Amino acid sequence: AQSVTQLDSHVSVSEGTPVLLRCNYSSSYSPSLFWYVQHPNKGLQLLLKYTSAATLVKGINGFEAEFKKSETSFHLTKPSAHMSDAAEYFCVVSDRDSNSGYALNFGKGTSLLVTP
Amino acid sequence: SAVISQKPSRDICQRGTSLTIQCQVDSQVTMMFWYRQQPGQSLTLIATANQGSEATYESGFVIDKFPISRPNLTFSTLTVSNMSPEDSSIYLCSVAASGRVTYSYNEQFFGPGTRLTVL
Repeated sequence: AQSVTQLDSHVSVSEGTPVLLRCNYSSSYSPSLFWYVQHPNKGLQLLLKYTSAATLVKGINGFEAEFKKSETSFHLTKPSAHMSDAAEYFCVVSDRDSNSGYALNFGKGTSLLVTP
Repeated sequence: SAVISQKPSRDICQRGTSLTIQCQVDSQVTMMFWYRQQPGQSLTLIATANQGSEATYESGFVIDKFPISRPNLTFSTLTVSNMSPEDSSIYLCSVAASGRVTYSYNEQFFGPGTRLTVL
């Protein structure tokens, strides 16, 4: 099965400073990777996805992620944090080995806190 | 992107009862998915629902506990049967972004979720 590991359960940054949320993946195939964000009491929103095209993926709200096969990583970054970025972030891999072949396997999530 | 609604948005239920959750999509989609998010946890896929066929359940989930209906291309229901406090979770439905043509690498759009509390 394909899986992801989010290395930090909580990350705290000051407003205006860079954000780094770390994710490593395990996959027998060329993986499809995603980052989703979940704001408190709101639904999940797709930030960006990697599906074997460009290794540097740009998403919404200034976020981007770089697929590094040699490091099996897909870290999420943003140059300058905004207060509205405070949320739960999930690194996700598609799992063709699931019973249906269409499962998305979610990491445990990283809670991002942005302080003034 | 698809617009997905779920009913109810939240409910509080008694042990031993059952709850049916509805998921409505504003466009026709081949596959719909049901996930569970236990308190403080990540999302886990329960099952994949195709229109006109039996749902495919992931390991650890069975049809007797989570029966699913998929009567048409825009609607699905998930029933949580014989509930216990351990079933207290957020239940989310999702659809593949590609709509009528589904690939294993597609991102999915998620509904707002149903927050279930079992006493």
